[in-house]
Amino acid sequence: DAGVTQSPTHLIKTRGQQVTLRCSPKSGHDTVSWYQQALGQGPQFIFQYYEEEERQRGNFPDRFSGHQFPNYSSELNVNALLLGDSALYLCASSSGGLVEPQHFGDGTRLSIL
Amino acid sequence: SQQGEEDPQALSIQEGENATMNCSYKTSINNLQWYRQNSGRGLVHLILIRSNEREKHSGRLRVTLDTSKKSSSLLITASRAADTASYFCATHPYNTDKLIFGTGTRLQVFP
Repeated sequence: DAGVTQSPTHLIKTRGQQVTLRCSPKSGHDTVSWYQQALGQGPQFIFQYYEEEERQRGNFPDRFSGHQFPNYSSELNVNALLLGDSALYLCASSSGGLVEPQHFGDGTRLSIL
Repeated sequence: SQQGEEDPQALSIQEGENATMNCSYKTSINNLQWYRQNSGRGLVHLILIRSNEREKHSGRLRVTLDTSKKSSSLLITASRAADTASYFCATHPYNTDKLIFGTGTRLQVFP
């Protein structure tokens, strides 16, 4: 039973570019959340998707957008990349939202040059 | 912004000793969750404790929750070198659909 899978594992971009990160949730899970984790910090909540709708959003600008597909997989898009967007981007899935434990992928390491 | 503050920021102990980490938060919560993160990897769920629970156990882990003080603690008994990792508390604030993580405690267990 595959857990949460994220792709790519590493990505290097330059300022101003756009990036798309992908997440496949654990089998049986319908809720996907995205987090940004800067080096040495705790993860910061970006947004949560359920039934293809953004259900909750954290304090991130509109440059960060997402999508959930009918098969529950999800994408995170970031436009107009800034140096400060360099971080580990984590995807988590669950069935039943946040009242249940979250299962995390190993993340995508995004470096902005 | 991060709701949780964890204490201590770093902890070094010998194998066999107990490790205690504390977490404080700011708002009313539905539940509080503890996660472990090995370097460069994703987070692994350890324990979820609901707001109406005061203590929970899982193997060598013991979590307490004091909602009146808005604080929680994680105790790892008889620690092992494999317990070396960063530990995070995360709160699910009441009336929200987001998980707010603390700043983390870096635990180093020496053989």
